[in-house]
Amino acid sequence: GAVVSQHPSWVICKSGTSVKIECRSLDFQATTMFWYRQFPKQSLMLMATSNEGSKATYEQGVEKDKFLINHASLTLSTLTVTSAHPEDSSFYICSARDQRRTNTEAFFGQGTRLTVV
Amino acid sequence: KQEVTQIPAALSVPEGENLVLNCSFTDSAIYNLQWFRQDPGKGLTSLLLIQSSQREQTSGRLNASLDKSSGRSTLYIAASQPGDSATYLCAGGGFYGQNFVFGPGTRLSVLP
Repeated sequence: GAVVSQHPSWVICKSGTSVKIECRSLDFQATTMFWYRQFPKQSLMLMATSNEGSKATYEQGVEKDKFLINHASLTLSTLTVTSAHPEDSSFYICSARDQRRTNTEAFFGQGTRLTVV
Repeated sequence: KQEVTQIPAALSVPEGENLVLNCSFTDSAIYNLQWFRQDPGKGLTSLLLIQSSQREQTSGRLNASLDKSSGRSTLYIAASQPGDSATYLCAGGGFYGQNFVFGPGTRLSVLP
């Protein structure tokens, strides 16, 4: 079945530094990918929609200058957390759907646990 | 805007019991309904996908149904096992290009 690979699976960084998270669709193309965030004991909340070749669409309350999204190819989207702070510590997970099939399931990456110290 | 709720928030049952998890959504113009399992500190494992033209899906001891008119989906787990202990999330999806909206999850504990 379709696979979405997310890297890294976990990262610890110092406050003020930037962290890049990659999301790849391994055997299908995705013009649209989604980035979610999950705080402890909460559900997944959509942060932004990543669109290949164009600007990402951010949900209300998500700072686009802090969470930079780049979707440069049909199989890769990256999320960069800039100037990370401890409150950015969370579980980040990406999702993609096969663009050839309109009525299909969403495939999720393994997630990235970010800890900012 | 789609909103998804799940009842109960937590459930504890003895091993062997059959159980039902409930999911409700506000927008009946839903294309897919997908059930996931999430173990503590882990990512998502897709369990079942019900597409808009379907009413239910089965996989092993799991059966999921979808009633778009009433805005409800249920996940039935037969003969529960301790290994079923996890958080179960339902998510409603729109047409391609639209994201999935997640419910808050049901935290299941199956006691040996």
